[in-house]
Amino acid sequence: AQTVTQSQPEMSVQEAETVTLSCTYDTSENNYYLFWYKQPPSRQMILVIRQEAYKQQNATENRFSVNFQKAAKSFSLKISDSQLGDTAMYFCAFMTSGSRLTFGEGTQLTVNP
Amino acid sequence: EADIYQTPRYLVIGTGKKITLECSQTMGHDKMYWYQQDPGMELHLIHYSYGVNSTEKGDLSSESTVSRIRTEHFPLTLESARPSHTSQYLCASSTTGADTQYFGPGTRLTVL
Repeated sequence: AQTVTQSQPEMSVQEAETVTLSCTYDTSENNYYLFWYKQPPSRQMILVIRQEAYKQQNATENRFSVNFQKAAKSFSLKISDSQLGDTAMYFCAFMTSGSRLTFGEGTQLTVNP
Repeated sequence: EADIYQTPRYLVIGTGKKITLECSQTMGHDKMYWYQQDPGMELHLIHYSYGVNSTEKGDLSSESTVSRIRTEHFPLTLESARPSHTSQYLCASSTTGADTQYFGPGTRLTVL
């Protein structure tokens, strides 16, 4: 069975600073997908970034980037130039081809002015 | 941006009532999912469907039922609501061959 672990229940960062959220996973599969979703106070789940395991290049979406370490089974999210609107619960998620999403426990990020 | 809708957004109801949570998507996605999420907690898959007339139970046992008569519509029904059903219910969809799931805004259910 696949598991996803987010070891940081809460984090905070000052506006305009950079913050990194950690995620590790466990799988015996070789082909899979990894995601970061954010859930602001509105409770809607919003896709932030996705990574395909067969791609060595780290995914980037504007201020959001990942550090994907396949051998270490690590998938951290870096948020640069943090904004107040980044305050949300962030979930790391994992999926093998054709299967279902497995979510981590979430990290509550607070961006302070 | 994904077009997936859930109604109602908020529902407060008494014990024993039958309720149906609606989920619709206009993207023609063949796969649809229902997740249950308690406040501050991770999401748990309770039902999924890979196409019309196909439904399966997810990882978390649930007393709810689902149906998939039309591609765009995936309602969830509770025959007799109980306080233990109080939670947020999130619907999602994706298309075969693509891995990304898109989520609706959720329904926050409170059973008194």
